[in-house]
Amino acid sequence: DTEVTQTPKHLVMGMTNKKSLKCEQHMGHRAMYWYKQKAKKPPELMFVYSYEKLSINESVPSRFSPECPNSSLLNLHLHALQPEDSALYLCASSQDRATGTQYFGPGTRLLVL
Amino acid sequence: DAKTTQPPSMDCAEGRAANLPCNHSTISGNEYVYWYRQIHSQGPQYIIHGLKNNETNEMASLIITEDRKSSTLILPHATLRDTAVYYCIVRVPPTGYGGYQKVTFGTGTKLQVIP
Repeated sequence: DTEVTQTPKHLVMGMTNKKSLKCEQHMGHRAMYWYKQKAKKPPELMFVYSYEKLSINESVPSRFSPECPNSSLLNLHLHALQPEDSALYLCASSQDRATGTQYFGPGTRLLVL
Repeated sequence: DAKTTQPPSMDCAEGRAANLPCNHSTISGNEYVYWYRQIHSQGPQYIIHGLKNNETNEMASLIITEDRKSSTLILPHATLRDTAVYYCIVRVPPTGYGGYQKVTFGTGTKLQVIP
């Protein structure tokens, strides 16, 4: 099974809301990633988790808060977002963070009103 | 990271081979070339990667020039489902045990397969 699942597929939230994005993989991968993709742009790395520990934070604003409860799950908690945060949020995993082959989920399309 | 240059768009007739070029003239000796694609509104999909030798898998072939300054991804018999944005990526080599290899996506090539 080489599938990464993400929920929800679509999310609309107001600027004062708190919401969470979820990502799950059952490939035994020990590295998981969050990417952000604006329309007609390539994905941009946000966070890297390695063995459930935050490894890389690409200077992401604190209104985005990642969490890795266990080796299969990755969450992205959202709070006080801005309209410019509207984007496709992609989760990916790889065997470990040194491995170049990443498996991506279908993404959550987020709209902030 | 070594920079990559790809044409912004290409067309290919269905059933014909699609040859997608990538220039990575500043690649260093231990950096791999990876190819991903992203079909509209889906997550990127890994296709293939290589270091020096040509590589082939069930999806595509990767041809890397001898000087490694460029490469070509070949889809041997393009179908309409191959319409996507194709990203050529050069990976920063890991530094030390478990070092991190950042995947930096460029702007990619939008391949349109035409019936």
